[in-house]
Amino acid sequence: AQRVTQPEKLLSVFKGAPVELKCNYSYSGSPELFWYVQYSRQRLQLLLRHISRESIKGFTADLNKGETSFHLKKPFAQEEDSAMYYCALAPGGSNYKLTFGKGTLLTVNP
Amino acid sequence: GAVVSQHPSWVICKSGTSVKIECRSLDFQATTMFWYRQFPKQSLMLMATSNEGSKATYEQGVEKDKFLINHASLTLSTLTVTSAHPEDSSFYICSARHGTLNTGELFFGEGSRLTVL
Repeated sequence: AQRVTQPEKLLSVFKGAPVELKCNYSYSGSPELFWYVQYSRQRLQLLLRHISRESIKGFTADLNKGETSFHLKKPFAQEEDSAMYYCALAPGGSNYKLTFGKGTLLTVNP
Repeated sequence: GAVVSQHPSWVICKSGTSVKIECRSLDFQATTMFWYRQFPKQSLMLMATSNEGSKATYEQGVEKDKFLINHASLTLSTLTVTSAHPEDSSFYICSARHGTLNTGELFFGEGSRLTVL
């Protein structure tokens, strides 16, 4: 069975500080990992996925298969980054059945 | 592009009645749609996978006779909560897989809040 663990329910940082949202997973095969974000009163939307290896809004995430982690990082947090962040896993291939972590609420203080 | 819309956004019903929630892909065809349930301050829990023209696949522990899913067209899936009870009160969210984009991205609806009195 696949599982996604986000150990921090809440994370609070000051503007300009680095931020790291942790995500660990368990899956026997080669999964696809995603970060989804939900801003206040908005729908869930994709932030980034590991296969594209891109940086979105200054965020990056590297898949570490040895540590089974997919931590989300940003060197300088902005107030507009305050949101709920969900790490999600999909089995490799064309199956898009996502398993979500419990989410981390990021608050960036001025 | 790639917008998913849910209707209604919120609904209040009496115990014992049935409620239908619609999930529409507005500008693309969705071969697969997913239904989730989210309790307050908790994560999204996948309820079922809805494939156009075939029966939905339910996750373990989800009553298929309680939560009827119909995916009659490539742009519409419906979730009907039958004989609703207060414990069915929750936030229901759908997502859709784009029929031609193969990016792994799912597009989410805005959610429907059900309150059963």
